[in-house]
Amino acid sequence: AQSVTQLDSQVPVFEEAPVELRCNYSSSVSVYLFWYVQYPNQGLQLLLKYLSGSTLVESINGFEAEFNKSQTSFHLRKPSVHISDTAEYFCAVSDLRGRRALTFGSGTRLQVQP
Amino acid sequence: ETGVTQTPRHLVMGMTNKKSLKCEQHLGHNAMYWYKQSAKKPLELMFVYNFKEQTENNSVPSRFSPECPNSSHLFLHLHTLQPEDSALYLCASSQGNTGGASGEKLFFGSGTQLSVL
Repeated sequence: AQSVTQLDSQVPVFEEAPVELRCNYSSSVSVYLFWYVQYPNQGLQLLLKYLSGSTLVESINGFEAEFNKSQTSFHLRKPSVHISDTAEYFCAVSDLRGRRALTFGSGTRLQVQP
Repeated sequence: ETGVTQTPRHLVMGMTNKKSLKCEQHLGHNAMYWYKQSAKKPLELMFVYNFKEQTENNSVPSRFSPECPNSSHLFLHLHTLQPEDSALYLCASSQGNTGGASGEKLFFGSGTQLSVL
């Protein structure tokens, strides 16, 4: 069985400061990794994903995540956040065995303050 | 706008009521999903439909009854719910039927916030 742990339920940060949202997973096989974002009163949207190749993946709005196999982590980072980044961020994993679903973490609420 | 529309946005119901949640997508996707989002808990997959056929029921109690009349519409019929069923219910769709697991993008609706009194 696989699982995802997001250690921080809430991360408050000031505008233009850097941020890191932590995600660790456990799985006995190779995985795909994802970050989804949920803005207030909206559904989840795919932010970025790691399937293979370069371990550093980027989104169009300045977020990046790095797959670290030895530490079983996929932390999300942004060097300078904006008020508009305020949202809930969900890490998810799939185990490549064809199970028809992602396993999601419990989410991290990013609150960007002016 | 993700292309997945859910109604109603909010629903308050008593434990003896019967109500239905509706989801509609016009993205041409073949697979549709119901998820339950409770505060501080991981997103829980409830049901998967592929080409109108149910392919996964994730041990959901029978008081939740899904219906998929066609590839564009998905319903969740609710009957004799419990207060612990209060949550945000999200519908999603995708082109493939692996629930995003093989890397295809899931498209989510905004959800129905359900309160059971």
